[in-house]
Amino acid sequence: EAQVTQNPRYLITVTGKKLTVTCSQNMNHEYMSWYRQDPGLGLRQIYYSMNVEVTDKGDVPEGYKVSRKEKRNFPLILESPSPNQTSLYFCASSPLGGRTYEQYFGPGTRLTVT
Amino acid sequence: AQKVTQAQTEISVVEKEDVTLDCVYETRDTTYYLFWYKQPPSGELVFLIRRNSFDEQNEISGRYSWNFQKSTSSFNFTITASQVVDSAVYFCALRNSGGSNYKLTFGKGTLLTVNP
Repeated sequence: EAQVTQNPRYLITVTGKKLTVTCSQNMNHEYMSWYRQDPGLGLRQIYYSMNVEVTDKGDVPEGYKVSRKEKRNFPLILESPSPNQTSLYFCASSPLGGRTYEQYFGPGTRLTVT
Repeated sequence: AQKVTQAQTEISVVEKEDVTLDCVYETRDTTYYLFWYKQPPSGELVFLIRRNSFDEQNEISGRYSWNFQKSTSSFNFTITASQVVDSAVYFCALRNSGGSNYKLTFGKGTLLTVNP
């Protein structure tokens, strides 16, 4: 089954404790992206990657890091989480070019930073 | 800059009523793509439809229909004979065709509650 998976689905952590949210897709997509969703703000892009070793900032990259060492994986790293990073996070993937422009979203990771 | 406006923050209807969710977008590109996503209470994002800027044909899928009007920069979504299972947050989103970022610009969403 074609899908984007994220782990963990739920996480409660404390300020300053480094964490990683994993994202993996099995569709051989080149493009991957992270969004955060906050009440009243919709979804905003954090980082994106056009292919292995190619990443760039989105609209709200502060406090986050990413890496793209393999095509299928695109982890989101919070080196020193703060309460304002409490949010619902989505990973998405898409093929480059072609006629399919849908982005496939993972199930979301609900993060709480206390 | 791109922008998507969903002016309706919340809508409440009674089952079997028809309901229209509004979406107005702004972009300088001549080629772009519009999407609707559904987010049920379980939290996942469910893709509903994609529309290309060069295709203004309206679409119907069962009880769902979409009205795309470039002249008014709108891409409205109508649910006919609403059901309780339609209760969700609905997001309209925009993606431009060019550049290296396939970023989706989302509206803030409309919370639809369908009451029995």
